[in-house]
Formats: sequence, structure tokens, C-alpha cells
Amino acid sequence: AQRVTQPEKLLSVFKGAPVELKCNYSYSGSPELFWYVQYSRQRLQLLLRHISRESIKGFTADLNKGETSFHLKKPFAQEEDSAMYYCALASGGYQKVTFGTGTKLQVIP
Amino acid sequence: DTAVSQTPKYLVTQMGNDKSIKCEQNLGHDTMYWYKQDSKKFLKIMFSYNNKELIINETVPNRFSPKSPDKAHLNLHINSLELGDSAVYFCASSATGGAQHFGDGTRLSIL
Repeated sequence: AQRVTQPEKLLSVFKGAPVELKCNYSYSGSPELFWYVQYSRQRLQLLLRHISRESIKGFTADLNKGETSFHLKKPFAQEEDSAMYYCALASGGYQKVTFGTGTKLQVIP
Repeated sequence: DTAVSQTPKYLVTQMGNDKSIKCEQNLGHDTMYWYKQDSKKFLKIMFSYNNKELIINETVPNRFSPKSPDKAHLNLHINSLELGDSAVYFCASSATGGAQHFGDGTRLSIL
């Protein structure tokens, strides 16, 4: 069975401070991992995926298979980053998707 | 153009009623999904459909039934609504090997 764990329900940081949102996964195969973001009362939208190895809105995430982690990082938090962040793991041709419980990021001005 | 659209956006109804939520995607994706997001913001997959075939049916009550008339639509029917069904329901779609695109959500409130 696959599982995604986001240990922090709420993460509060000051504007300009570094951000790290933790995500750990459990899966026996090769995982496909994603980060989705949901701004207040909006739809979920893809932030980034590990196979793209890209940086979106200053966020990056590196897949660490040894630690089974896919932490989301940003060096300097902005107020507009305040949102819910979900880590997700896809398998079975992307038809089985498991989301973590989400972390609410609150950036304090 | 909205890629994944679902209607209605808000649905307020009484316990015991039967209701439907519609979802349409114009992205040409192969797979569509329904998710339930509860008051704690937990997001749980309910169903996924690939080319009109149910791929995953999570342990949801059989009062919930997905219906897909074609590849671009996946509707959610709910019978005998209960208080615990109050949540935001999200439709999503994806291409094979692609990320998911979500709709705006339908906020269901049971009185």
C-alpha cells in the first residue's frame, strides 16, 4: 500500500524566512511525486512534479529515495505563498493517487 | 476556457435527498477523478475513471455512484444524503502519465 505523510498541519514563518514543507512517502515501486497548492477557496493546482526537476514560484523539491522524502523548499517566503500544500504520490499509470493530509503554510508579514 | 468545470458550485440540501454533481473536462484527458475534501482539508480520492471504465473504487458508501456518459464527463450521484456528506467535492482529470487538473469544487452542505 502506498502512503504519503505530511507531519505538519500548520507551518508559520516570517516573510523572507526559508520554508521547508515535509513530505515522506511509502511505496514499494518507483514513485511519481507531486506537490499541489490550494490558495484560499480556490482549486488545487499543480505546483511541481519530481520528474520535471523545475522550480515554480521559487519552490523546489528533490526526491530522496534513501530517505523516502520529497520535501518542498523555498529560500525566501512571500506573503502570497500562504496556502495549503499537498504532497501526492501516483502509481498504476497515474490512476492511483494518494494525497497527504496537507500542510497549511502561513507567511507572517 | 475552463479546463475542468463542475456544477453546481454550491449545493445546499436536506438529509435524505438525492443529488448529482456534474463534471466536464475539455482537455482530452483519459482519466477523471472525484475527491472529497472534508472540513479539516483532508483530501481523499473517491473514484477514478479511465476511458469509461472504473479503475479505482475506494471504500466509499454505495450511496455514491459515479457515472461517465463519455470520456469528457464524470458525474457524481449521491443517494440518501447524510450529514457526514457535507464537504467540498473536487473533480479532476489527467492524461496518462500527467498531473491532475482540478475543478473549482462543489461545496455540499446538508441541513
